[in-house]
Amino acid sequence: NAGVMQNPRHLVRRRGQEARLRCSPMKGHSHVYWYRQLPEEGLKFMVYLQKENIIDESGMPKERFSAEFPKEGPSILRIQQVVRGDSAAYFCASSPRGDIQYFGAGTRLSVL
Amino acid sequence: EDKVVQSPLSLVVHEGDTVTLNCSYEVTNFRSLLWYKQEKKAPTFLFMLTSSGIEKKSGRLSSILDKKELFSILNITATQTGDSAVYLCAVEANDYKLSFGAGTTVTVRA
Repeated sequence: NAGVMQNPRHLVRRRGQEARLRCSPMKGHSHVYWYRQLPEEGLKFMVYLQKENIIDESGMPKERFSAEFPKEGPSILRIQQVVRGDSAAYFCASSPRGDIQYFGAGTRLSVL
Repeated sequence: EDKVVQSPLSLVVHEGDTVTLNCSYEVTNFRSLLWYKQEKKAPTFLFMLTSSGIEKKSGRLSSILDKKELFSILNITATQTGDSAVYLCAVEANDYKLSFGAGTTVTVRA
């Protein structure tokens, strides 16, 4: 049973470009969570999704950020018009409902 | 806002030493407390604690929760260089979101 798969592992974007981060949950997990880790800080919750539904996006910046978890395919975290402050490690976790969250290896986004 | 504080922020020990990591929390609608180990990759799940006073053990690692005093400790005995990592404490509320502490960086020297 493969773990939570995130890609790409590293992503470099110039200011103003779009970043797309992908997350495939563990087999059998229908709940996906995205967290952001800024340098020297702890992980911060961004958004919680189930298949085709956003359950809680209280941690998402109001502009430029969006997330989806379609019926088929991975969950996508999309950042439009990236700025230097978006540089961070973005982690995805998955779980069955109400159970332990298992994390992927993260995507490290660098904005030049 | 939910708050999770870990201490110490970092420590350096020698192989064979015992370390104790602390995690205190303030959270509304507490559901569970989790410990993860983070090396240069995915945070790896260690323990989930939901009840006070019941120690969980896995090899040389153990953890316990005190829901009255709102804290947890993680112990590592007979440390090895492979234990070097950042140890993360997270608290889960009823809305299933995890609130993380800043982590404790443990360095084990041979």
